[in-house]
Amino acid sequence: DTAVSQTPKYLVTQMGNDKSIKCEQNLGHDTMYWYKQDSKKFLKIMFSYNNKELIINETVPNRFSPKSPDKAHLNLHINSLELGDSAVYFCASSLTVPDTQYFGPGTRLTVL
Amino acid sequence: KQEVTQIPAALSVPEGENLVLNCSFTDSAIYNLQWFRQDPGKGLTSLLLIQSSQREQTSGRLNASLDKSSGRSTLYIAASQPGDSATYLCAVRPMEYGNKLVFGAGTILRVKS
Repeated sequence: DTAVSQTPKYLVTQMGNDKSIKCEQNLGHDTMYWYKQDSKKFLKIMFSYNNKELIINETVPNRFSPKSPDKAHLNLHINSLELGDSAVYFCASSLTVPDTQYFGPGTRLTVL
Repeated sequence: KQEVTQIPAALSVPEGENLVLNCSFTDSAIYNLQWFRQDPGKGLTSLLLIQSSQREQTSGRLNASLDKSSGRSTLYIAASQPGDSATYLCAVRPMEYGNKLVFGAGTILRVKS
């Protein structure tokens, strides 16, 4: 059973396109996160939702918009993709805010 | 601003050797510290979580210590195996922003058989 799943695993697209990455967790957790891992392998948080409410919004271009239809899902929509958006995007979840975070397998986004 | 540094950036050891990975953080005001493992092309697997009030945690051949006052943590791996080869990431949860993790750049470990 996959605890935190992401789709797609790989995404290759042209500059200027709009794309979405989906995340689902079946752990019954209240809090979900999106992280970006750049080419230097640094993981940085982008967003965090607790019970469908946005609680963290780091300095991320407003082309990135998270959407949480329910507690088990946190999708990431990206408008007008740019070359610099190429990275691996990880979704994670935790039972509550300070608990252990469980990560999905990542989505490798390549913008051409 | 919290910053996390991991040393060394890469490490190659023969099978069976005991090894230590180091993590340092600039602000001691943290809720906890977590060690993760990342395999190529895969997500992160949580290895150990140490609360700020704890000094160490153990799981199998892994032992993580935390010295909050000096801003340091170590991950000790006993009797290393080729299957331990991966990138090891250290992350702290700052008290100022308790709902996010601040990661180090990781240590790439290779255990040779």
